[in-house]
Amino acid sequence: EMTQSPATLSVSPGERASLSCRASQSVTNKLCWYQQKPGQAPRLLIYDASTRATGISVRFSGSGSGTEFTLTISSLQSEDSAVYYCQQYAYWPYSFGQGTKLDI
Amino acid sequence: EVQLVESGGGLAQSGRSLRLSCTASGFSFYDYAISWVRQGPGKGLEWVGFIRSNSYGGTTEYAASVKGRFIISRDDSRNKAYLQIDSLTDEDTALYYCARDRYYGDRVVFRGLDVWGPGTPVTVSS
Repeated sequence: EMTQSPATLSVSPGERASLSCRASQSVTNKLCWYQQKPGQAPRLLIYDASTRATGISVRFSGSGSGTEFTLTISSLQSEDSAVYYCQQYAYWPYSFGQGTKLDI
Repeated sequence: EVQLVESGGGLAQSGRSLRLSCTASGFSFYDYAISWVRQGPGKGLEWVGFIRSNSYGGTTEYAASVKGRFIISRDDSRNKAYLQIDSLTDEDTALYYCARDRYYGDRVVFRGLDVWGPGTPVTVSS
């Protein structure tokens, strides 16, 4: 089971946001992060806990291993307002966290 | 352009069956696994199932919540994956996405669910 915190985060433009994801058991580094804006499909940001997907801004960075993971978004912009999900793929079934809503 | 497009959603009666399709273009569909993910109204993402490449047997994995009612299949000649939902319940009302999953080339590579379709909505009425 994946648990994300906080449920909602409000941050000012230009600041940095840190979103947390905790796994109930070790997933080593087999963790992804996705961004979902209203009315859109999710977009992959990070895989293998810290590798940015193709075309993703360097403002997005992932860290962690085992059971504790963090998505950091620097120099926040209004376009970063979205819900962010973590997902583990270390074991079946895959599972998503419940999401963190980020308001800029 | 690398693309996935879902179809087949709509209004369905509780207890009936529905088959969703996922059509791929712009990449070697047969080399990839496909995952299905759903999102209930106002809710988060729920992974429901997965099908491997036929080069790895085309075998499937399912979430416990849908096992026995959901069946995923694929037809590489048509670049399509399918999600059949049997015995529909109100809890199946959701937007259903397909997403590109693992690559089965010289080695198995997973770089996230990196391509998603726009989703197809399913509404179950009782």
